[in-house]
Amino acid sequence: AQSVTQPDIHITVSEGASLELRCNYSYGATPYLFWYVQSPGQGLQLLLKYFSGDTLVQGIKGFEAEFKRSQSSFNLRKPSVHWSDAAEYFCAVGGSTGFQKLVFGTGTRLLVSP
Amino acid sequence: DTAVSQTPKYLVTQMGNDKSIKCEQNLGHDTMYWYKQDSKKFLKIMFSYNNKELIINETVPNRFSPKSPDKAHLNLHINSLELGDSAVYFCASSQMGQGSFSYGYTFGSGTRLTVV
Repeated sequence: AQSVTQPDIHITVSEGASLELRCNYSYGATPYLFWYVQSPGQGLQLLLKYFSGDTLVQGIKGFEAEFKRSQSSFNLRKPSVHWSDAAEYFCAVGGSTGFQKLVFGTGTRLLVSP
Repeated sequence: DTAVSQTPKYLVTQMGNDKSIKCEQNLGHDTMYWYKQDSKKFLKIMFSYNNKELIINETVPNRFSPKSPDKAHLNLHINSLELGDSAVYFCASSQMGQGSFSYGYTFGSGTRLTVV
């Protein structure tokens, strides 16, 4: 069964600084990988996803993530953080065949300081 | 125009009551899901239906019963509500793509259930 680890519970970044959120996954075959963002009181919005091909994927709101199979990682990055990026970020892994569920990490709360 | 809509958005009820949460999607997807998000923000799948057929049933108390009248709707009925059922419940949908149902999920905005 697949699993996801997000080692950072909270991260504080100054506005304008760069951001990297860590995600490590466990899955026996080729994974499908996702990053979702949840603003307070809101649902989950898809930022980006990786299925195959180029290991650097671009998403919405200026986010990108890089799939590194050797490290079982799918870290999320943004070169310059805006105050509106403050939210909860979830990494998720799904199986690439059949009736596979999406399994989420425990989330990382991003705080943006002025 | 909402892709996945849930009602109600908020639900406050007393212990022991029975309540339902409704979910509808207009994306034409063939698979729908219920996820529970606890107070620590952890998201865990509860059920999944594909074309009205139950395909995922995680370890959930029997008090929770999903119903899918058609592939655009998935409702969640909860009997004898307990304090520990307080959480945010998210509905999601997806369409089989590239041989997998985890190709891409679209989530609703959630239903915050508070049991008092």
